Amino acid sequence: QKEVEQNSGPLSVPEGAIASLNCTYSDRGSQSFFWYRQYSGKSPELIMSIYSNGDKEDGRFTAQLNKASQYVSLLIRDSQPSDSATYLCAALYNNNDMRFGAGTRLTVKP
Amino acid sequence: NAGVTQTPKFRILKIGQSMTLQCAQDMNHNYMYWYRQDPGMGLKLIYYSVGAGITDKGEVPNGYNVSRSTTEDFPLRLELAAPSQTSVYFCASTSLTGELFFGEGSRLTVL
Repeated sequence: QKEVEQNSGPLSVPEGAIASLNCTYSDRGSQSFFWYRQYSGKSPELIMSIYSNGDKEDGRFTAQLNKASQYVSLLIRDSQPSDSATYLCAALYNNNDMRFGAGTRLTVKP
Repeated sequence: NAGVTQTPKFRILKIGQSMTLQCAQDMNHNYMYWYRQDPGMGLKLIYYSVGAGITDKGEVPNGYNVSRSTTEDFPLRLELAAPSQTSVYFCASTSLTGELFFGEGSRLTVL
């Protein structure tokens, strides 16, 4: 089974706080993981990709991967109202089969 | 640079009708995907292709067909439309990096 699980939320944080988004995947064969952001009525856009165990930082965003636990997370520091969106976790399986989780809706309150 | 272009953007079908959603990319990507997104849900993979002439089923292929005769085009065919196919359909493409580039989506309603 090629499943990606996310807590659908909604998640609400105050402006300036850290938002923590979590994702688990079912197939240990997956090697590549992605976080996409989707604003209401728009297409998803890539925020982060991560391929190795550990942390990867890009500005206010940090992706974390733990392959032993089959767990991927995204931290958003200094959250801004413009970060309010749905965040989709994706895993790339063999043969380039890309699967998505159900998404977590984040609201950042001013 | 147009990226991924989907047509039509909106369509209303009657039950039992058929139609084709068009998708074209100009980035010379080998990998192309069709997803559907129901309200408040994530993306469900319908079909994907790793190159011209090669297609594979995803999670929810029933009721759909695809073809990939060229690198650029990846049309999705709906046969005998049903209300359960009411959704937003996204086409996407990628190179070896795995970063998906999405079209703007096609909103389909089956009545």
